[in-house]
Amino acid sequence: GAVVSQHPSWVICKSGTSVKIECRSLDFQATTMFWYRQFPKQSLMLMATSNEGSKATYEQGVEKDKFLINHASLTLSTLTVTSAHPEDSSFYICSARDGQGRETQYFGPGTRLLVL
Amino acid sequence: GQNIDQPTEMTATEGAIVQINCTYQTSGFNGLFWYQQHAGEAPTFLSYNVLDGLEEKGRFSSFLSRSKGYSYLLLKELQMKDSASYLCAVMDSNYQLIWGAGTKLIIKP
Repeated sequence: GAVVSQHPSWVICKSGTSVKIECRSLDFQATTMFWYRQFPKQSLMLMATSNEGSKATYEQGVEKDKFLINHASLTLSTLTVTSAHPEDSSFYICSARDGQGRETQYFGPGTRLLVL
Repeated sequence: GQNIDQPTEMTATEGAIVQINCTYQTSGFNGLFWYQQHAGEAPTFLSYNVLDGLEEKGRFSSFLSRSKGYSYLLLKELQMKDSASYLCAVMDSNYQLIWGAGTKLIIKP
């Protein structure tokens, strides 16, 4: 149980384009999903927390207009990197927490984004 | 401020035992997590402690002392595949996870 998927696993795009990453909880309903970014050899950095049906809460320094998050259902959250630039190249990882009182976050496999 | 401390890197020998320590100072406490992260992959959940004491799960055990703000992850019978980063994370009073920087564990034959 507690499987989280992400799609795509790899994205290469040109500078200025937008990229959408999907995060799905496959066998549980995720009331809360989290989006992280991780640069090589660095710690996980929380970007935003999204609760189903409400606006995401962004961490300080994360531009909400650049990183659009939608959590329209209990099993799906999307992160759209708008007008991507080379400095946005990173490893983006989502995690999900169910609404059954269990606090464990289960991570998706991550999406590697390379902006040329 | 909130702070999680764990060693940056540790080295151990295959078949041996290693203990990775984590100390924390957070605003409130709703549990401590250990995750394993292999290079280039996402973290995978190892353990969750919310009460004091030792939780054993196969070759891995996790200990918590809330009064000391201290936890450790104990890995027994080390295997080469255990080479990874081990992340300590504490859930604060707002149910936000505060992450440590991770401990890179190197296993030598």
